[in-house]
Amino acid sequence: LAKTTQPISMDSYEGQEVNITCSHNNIATNDYITWYQQFPSQGPRFIIQGYKTKVTNEVASLFIPADRKSSTLSLPRVSLSDTAVYYCLVVNNAGNMLTFGGGTRLMVKP
Amino acid sequence: ETGVTQSPTHLIKTRGQQVTLRCSSQSGHNTVSWYQQALGQGPQFIFQYYREEENGRGNFPPRFSGLQFPNYSSELNVNALELDDSALYLCASSLGGGLAGGTDTQYFGPGTRLTVL
Repeated sequence: LAKTTQPISMDSYEGQEVNITCSHNNIATNDYITWYQQFPSQGPRFIIQGYKTKVTNEVASLFIPADRKSSTLSLPRVSLSDTAVYYCLVVNNAGNMLTFGGGTRLMVKP
Repeated sequence: ETGVTQSPTHLIKTRGQQVTLRCSSQSGHNTVSWYQQALGQGPQFIFQYYREEENGRGNFPPRFSGLQFPNYSSELNVNALELDDSALYLCASSLGGGLAGGTDTQYFGPGTRLTVL
């Protein structure tokens, strides 16, 4: 399974755009990049998944360069309620387990 | 809300005891995965059940066992509890079957907080 590396923590202010980058140098051909959000004492919540280029949904955008060795989760105009831990995962379509790293603790300040 | 429910919400046990945690999967999902999350760490995969059969296991000892029922709800059983078993136990359900064009997105419940004294 491809290992991911992401910043331990980030700070931002309300209304700003936040970009969290994740590196996954040994990603395999059948791997997808998936991001989860987790609030304290709650289960992780699926945010977005992509294979290449750009994916956008109502919550976030995911940018994946051509070599797929990294990806960037973009949260537009964050609010205080976006304060959470964000996990970057590499998941293949034949696998059954999610491998979580330590995640990025995002703190949004007023 | 994911539609995945877990019970109980909180539980306190003592060392050596046994515990059973329960999970109801989202409607239409036939796969349930269990994770253990220690304080300040990411969730760690325990095992997965697909159509009532174990479909993968993480690095957990045999005293962690599970079941999946015909309605796809699931139980996690832990015997001979140890202090280090104190954690948030998460259940996630998914459609299963290795969908084409993506992966089998897992939807998590709120978790059960287990404290072992």
